[in-house]
Amino acid sequence: DAGVTQSPTHLIKTRGQQVTLRCSPKSGHDTVSWYQQALGQGPQFIFQYYEEEERQRGNFPDRFSGHQFPNYSSELNVNALLLGDSALYLCASSSNPTATNEKLFFGSGTQLSVL
Amino acid sequence: QQQVKQSPQSLIVQKGGIPIINCAYENTAFDYFPWYQQFPGKGPALLIAIRPDVSEKKEGRFTISFNKSAKQFSLHIMDSQPGDSATYFCAARTNFGNEKLTFGTGTRLTIIP
Repeated sequence: DAGVTQSPTHLIKTRGQQVTLRCSPKSGHDTVSWYQQALGQGPQFIFQYYEEEERQRGNFPDRFSGHQFPNYSSELNVNALLLGDSALYLCASSSNPTATNEKLFFGSGTQLSVL
Repeated sequence: QQQVKQSPQSLIVQKGGIPIINCAYENTAFDYFPWYQQFPGKGPALLIAIRPDVSEKKEGRFTISFNKSAKQFSLHIMDSQPGDSATYFCAARTNFGNEKLTFGTGTRLTIIP
């Protein structure tokens, strides 16, 4: 049983460019959350998708957007990249509702470098 | 605003010792407190979690102690091994559906032989 898979593993972009990161949730999971982990920091919540809709959003600008597909996979898009967007982007999946399943499973992340 | 404060930032312990990592929170609506372990190049993995209706939870060599009145919780690793060397994050969440996790800043633990 594959866990959470993310692609690509590494990415280098230039300021002002746009990037798309991809995530496939763990089998049986229908909820996908995205987190940004800056170097030496804890992950910070970006947003969460369930039933193809953004259900919650953290304190991130509109340059960060996402999408969830009918097969529950998800994309994170970042427009107009800034140097400060350089980070490890983590995807986490879970089942809804969390009242009965509280475990989040994380992928290994996409390391984004903005030059 | 950081809602979960974690200390220390780094910790070096000899094999067999008991590293202790501490976290404090501000939001009294938090009612689920997990600890995650992260190895270099990997995503965080759930280690152990506790709810505030108990003061202690043990799973194998890992123990969470919880002090609701002080709004503090800690992770203890018994009989630590070099393979436990990793970064540990505490986190907290309210229990209203799929609420987001708020993470601490992490503790880099090194277990020396």
